[in-house]
Amino acid sequence: AQSVTQLDSHVSVSEGTPVLLRCNYSSSYSPSLFWYVQHPNKGLQLLLKYTSAATLVKGINGFEAEFKKSETSFHLTKPSAHMSDAAEYFCVVSAPGTGFQKLVFGTGTRLLVSP
Amino acid sequence: DGGITQSPKYLFRKEGQNVTLSCEQNLNHDAMYWYRQDPGQGLRLIYYSQIVNDFQKGDIAEGYSVSREKKESFPLTVTSAQKNPTAFYLCASSRTDEQFFGPGTRLTVL
Repeated sequence: AQSVTQLDSHVSVSEGTPVLLRCNYSSSYSPSLFWYVQHPNKGLQLLLKYTSAATLVKGINGFEAEFKKSETSFHLTKPSAHMSDAAEYFCVVSAPGTGFQKLVFGTGTRLLVSP
Repeated sequence: DGGITQSPKYLFRKEGQNVTLSCEQNLNHDAMYWYRQDPGQGLRLIYYSQIVNDFQKGDIAEGYSVSREKKESFPLTVTSAQKNPTAFYLCASSRTDEQFFGPGTRLTVL
């Protein structure tokens, strides 16, 4: 069975400092992995996805993530945080389904950015 | 402008009432999904549909019902059998491996 564990429920950074949101996954298959962002009372927006191509994946708004099979990790990083990055971030693994894409969500990490 | 719309944005329901949440997409996607989001938890799958006139239960389908009469529309009914319906409900659609989400409906039971 597929699962994801987001290691921090909250992360606080200052504007201009690096961001690291940690995610470990478990999968019986070669997984597809995603990071989604959710601003308050909004839907989810895809930041980036890994689907067995390059292990370093670049996404929108300066975010990137590195797939490390040996560590079963898919951590999300950004060199310099901006106030607008404050949101909830979800690490997601795609589970094989019978003809549809079943997503398994982590519990989320709330990113707080202070001036 | 392609996307997914959900209505209403906020919904209040008295105990014992059924309510229907609307989800419409103009992305021409075959697959559509309903999720429930509770504080401190990830999204949980309620129902999904891969094609018109067909839908399947997800992980937490009890107390919910859906229909898929048109490709563009996938309404969710929260019935009185759902014991704890207060939550944020998100609709999504997909063609390949990326799901696109609507803005959500916040349902509160009074």
